[in-house]
Amino acid sequence: EAQVTQNPRYLITVTGKKLTVTCSQNMNHEYMSWYRQDPGLGLRQIYYSMNVEVTDKGDVPEGYKVSRKEKRNFPLILESPSPNQTSLYFCASSDLLAVERDTQYFGPGTRLTVL
Amino acid sequence: AQTVTQSQPEMSVQEAETVTLSCTYDTSESDYYLFWYKQPPSRQMILVIRQEAYKQQNATENRFSVNFQKAAKSFSLKISDSQLGDAAMYFCAYRSSSNTGKLIFGQGTTLQVKP
Repeated sequence: EAQVTQNPRYLITVTGKKLTVTCSQNMNHEYMSWYRQDPGLGLRQIYYSMNVEVTDKGDVPEGYKVSRKEKRNFPLILESPSPNQTSLYFCASSDLLAVERDTQYFGPGTRLTVL
Repeated sequence: AQTVTQSQPEMSVQEAETVTLSCTYDTSESDYYLFWYKQPPSRQMILVIRQEAYKQQNATENRFSVNFQKAAKSFSLKISDSQLGDAAMYFCAYRSSSNTGKLIFGQGTTLQVKP
């Protein structure tokens, strides 16, 4: 089954404790992206990657890091989480040729709470 | 920078009736793509419909259609014969054709369908 998986699905942590949210896709997609969703703000793009070893900032990259060492994985790293990073996070992937038509597959979301 | 605005935080419609969700955007580009996504309570993101800016004809997908007004930078979604399963949050989104990696979402509109 074609899918994007995220782990963990729920996480409660404390300020300053480094964490990683994993994202993996099994569709051999070149394009992957991270978004955060907050009430009243919609989804905002954090980082995206057009291919392995190629990453670019979205609209809200501050406080986040990503890496794309292999095609299937695109982890989101919070080196020193703060309460304003409490949010719902989505990972998505797409066939590069389909990006313009936006046949994106979204993961199930990760609910992060930073105390 | 491009922006997407959904000015209706909440809408409601009676089952079997028609409802229109509004979206406006701002861009200086002439070539781009617009999308409507649906997010039901399961949080899954589902692509509802897409529109290429170079196409004058409005996109249609079954009960979903758009009214694309390029000069006015307006992109509304019409849902005909509303069903209970249409209850969800709907997001309008913009993607530039020159920078296909970035996707900009609106704030979202929560649609309630009354039986």
